[in-house]
Amino acid sequence: GENVEQHPSTLSVQEGDSAVIKCTYSDSASNYFPWYKQELGKRPQLIIDIRSNVGEKKDQRIAVTLNKTAKHFSLHITETQPEDSAVYFCAASESRSDKLIFGAGTRLAVHP
Amino acid sequence: GAGVSQSPSNKVTEKGKDVELRCDPISGHTALYWYRQSLGQGLEFLIYFQGNSAPDKSGLPSDRFSAERTGGSVSTLTIQRTQQEDSAVYLCASSRDRAYEQYFGPGTRLTVT
Repeated sequence: GENVEQHPSTLSVQEGDSAVIKCTYSDSASNYFPWYKQELGKRPQLIIDIRSNVGEKKDQRIAVTLNKTAKHFSLHITETQPEDSAVYFCAASESRSDKLIFGAGTRLAVHP
Repeated sequence: GAGVSQSPSNKVTEKGKDVELRCDPISGHTALYWYRQSLGQGLEFLIYFQGNSAPDKSGLPSDRFSAERTGGSVSTLTIQRTQQEDSAVYLCASSRDRAYEQYFGPGTRLTVT
């Protein structure tokens, strides 16, 4: 089955800096890679996703890149703001069932 | 439109009692997931329903846990003989099909005393 590893587990940056979170996956046939943001006490919400036929996708300050050969994908947040502080989860779809397998999460802290 | 709803929002129960947690997915969504999240931890997969296929129960931690989905819509997660380690937030999510965005419900916070 699919296995997703996420790094780092915690990340602290200064406001205005960039933040990068990386995930690796094991199932070479995975085709869907979403990223979720979970603010304290709230439910996870999708912030961006990418499919395997695309190498990069951007939405304002957020971008995701996918390297199918190396089986890793990354979340890039530019010009970070305090409201970006949250836990971020990556996920990959398991090819056999299309079930989403989540990474362990990254706690991002953006300091003013 | 309406999102995923869960009830109750909070549940306090005594050790050894049974509890039922309910999830109402978004109408028309064929996939439904249950997760458990302990304080400050990640999303622990419990069970996955997809259309009329047999559910994927590989994440259920013990035989005290069971879930059903009636009529392809509402789902209930049942925990029998609750233990203190069952205390967590139980999240339900639905998606319109396989490998699509999951929409999460607000969760049920279960406390076993």
